[in-house]
Amino acid sequence: SQTIHQWPATLVQPVGSPLSLECTVEGTSNPNLYWYRQAAGRGLQLLFYSVGIGQISSEVPQNLSASRPQDRQFILSSKKLLLSDSGFYLCAWSEGRYNQPQHFGDGTRLSIL
Amino acid sequence: DQQVKQNSPSLSVQEGRISILNCDYTNSMFDYFLWYKKYPAEGPTFLISISSIKDKNEDGRFTVFLNKSAKHLSLHIVPSQPGDSAVYFCAAGASGGAGSYQLTFGKGTKLSVIP
Repeated sequence: SQTIHQWPATLVQPVGSPLSLECTVEGTSNPNLYWYRQAAGRGLQLLFYSVGIGQISSEVPQNLSASRPQDRQFILSSKKLLLSDSGFYLCAWSEGRYNQPQHFGDGTRLSIL
Repeated sequence: DQQVKQNSPSLSVQEGRISILNCDYTNSMFDYFLWYKKYPAEGPTFLISISSIKDKNEDGRFTVFLNKSAKHLSLHIVPSQPGDSAVYFCAAGASGGAGSYQLTFGKGTKLSVIP
C-alpha cells in the first residue's frame, strides 16, 4: 500500500532563517505531489504541485519554493523565513489521473519567532 | 473569491443521530467532489468522493449527495459516533485543462458528536 512521510512534525525557526521540509511517498510511481498550507482558522491553501520530476507549478506568490529532485520526493524551501510563513504545512500525493483523491501526510507545524 | 463554502463552522449532534454537513460551490467547472476528515495535528484523511455524473455515493455510514443545479453537496453520517468528532473539509476539482489535478477546499466544519 502507499504511504506518505513528512518531516519534521514540528519546527521552530527564527525570522530570516532558511527552511527545508521534505516529503516522500512509497508504494506508487509517478504520483502527483502537492504542498499545502493551513493558516489558523482557515482552509487548505495550495502552494505548489508537481506532475513529474522537475515540473513545479506555483499557485501563490511568496518567498517559498518547491523542488522535486526524485520521482517520489518533494521539498519545500525558503531562503529567508517571514513571520507570516507560520502555519501547518501539508504534503499530499495523488495518482496521475483525473478525479483522484489526494492523500495527505501528517503535516509540519512551523512556528516563526 | 471563495469557490467552495462551508457556511457552518461547527455542528453538534447526539450519538446515534444523523450528522449532515453542507457545502456550496460557485465554479460550474467543478466535476469531482470529495470529503475529508481531519483530527488535530494530523493531515486530512480522504472519506468519500462523488463525480458530477452521479447524485449520490454511499460508503458504509457515509453518504454524499450532490445537487448540481443548486451547486450544493452534503455529507450524511448515520449513525454518528463519538469517533466521528473532527473537522470535515469539502473539496472540489475540475478535470481537464490547466490545473486539472488541483482541489479547492472549504474552510471546514467542526463536528462534535455528544455521547
